[in-house]
Amino acid sequence: KNQVEQSPQSLIILEGKNCTLQCNYTVSPFSNLRWYKQDTGRGPVSLTIMTFSENTKSNGRYTATLDADTKQSSLHITASQLSDSASYICVVSGPGGGGATNKLIFGTGTLLAVQP
Amino acid sequence: DAGVIQSPRHEVTEMGQEVTLRCKPISGHNSLFWYRQTMMRGLELLIYFNNNVPIDDSGMPEDRFSAKMPNASFSTLKIQPSEPRDSAVYFCASSLWGVGEQYFGPGTRLTVT
Repeated sequence: KNQVEQSPQSLIILEGKNCTLQCNYTVSPFSNLRWYKQDTGRGPVSLTIMTFSENTKSNGRYTATLDADTKQSSLHITASQLSDSASYICVVSGPGGGGATNKLIFGTGTLLAVQP
Repeated sequence: DAGVIQSPRHEVTEMGQEVTLRCKPISGHNSLFWYRQTMMRGLELLIYFNNNVPIDDSGMPEDRFSAKMPNASFSTLKIQPSEPRDSAVYFCASSLWGVGEQYFGPGTRLTVT
C-alpha cells in the first residue's frame, strides 16, 4: 500500500533554533516528492519539489533532502522565525489514476510551533 | 492573478441538506483537484479533472458526493444528503497539464450538524 509517514507529529522550538522534520514513504513507482507549508486556515503552499535524481533542494531557510534508496526525506528549517509556525506536509507523487496527472499521496503533517 | 477561488469559505448546514461547494481554478490551468482535509485523515484526494473531464474519482467516499466541471473556469462539489461525518475542510487546487505544481484555494470549512 502506498503510504507517507511523517515524524514527529508535532514540534515546539524556540525562535532562532533549527529543526528537522522527517518523511518516510512506501510509494512505488515514485515520481517526485514535495514539501508543503500550510498556515492555519489556509491552503497548502509548495516549498520544494524533488525528483528521484535530486538529493537536496533549498528554498531560503528551508532545505529538503531526499534519499530515494531508503525512501526517506527531511525538511530542515534554519534560524526559525515565528512565521514558520505551521503544518508541514510531505507529499509523494505516485502512480496516476489515469491521464498524464500523477496522484499525490499526502502525509498527515508535522505541526510546528515556534515560540519567542 | 487572484489564485484559486473557492466559495463559500464557511458553510454550516443541517444533516440531510444539500451542500454545493464552488471552485474557480487559475486561468490557463488544465487540471483541477478536489481534496478533503480532516484532523484524523489529513488531506485526501476526492476527484480530479483534466480538461474538464473527470479522470479519477476513486477517492469520492460514496454516491452522496458528486463533482462537475462544466467549463474550464468552474467546478462544483455537491453532497446530497449531507451527514455530520462530512464535516471537514474542502480544498480545490489547480495545475497545468501533467505533473505541474498544484495551487490550492483557501478552502471551504463545512460543518454538518
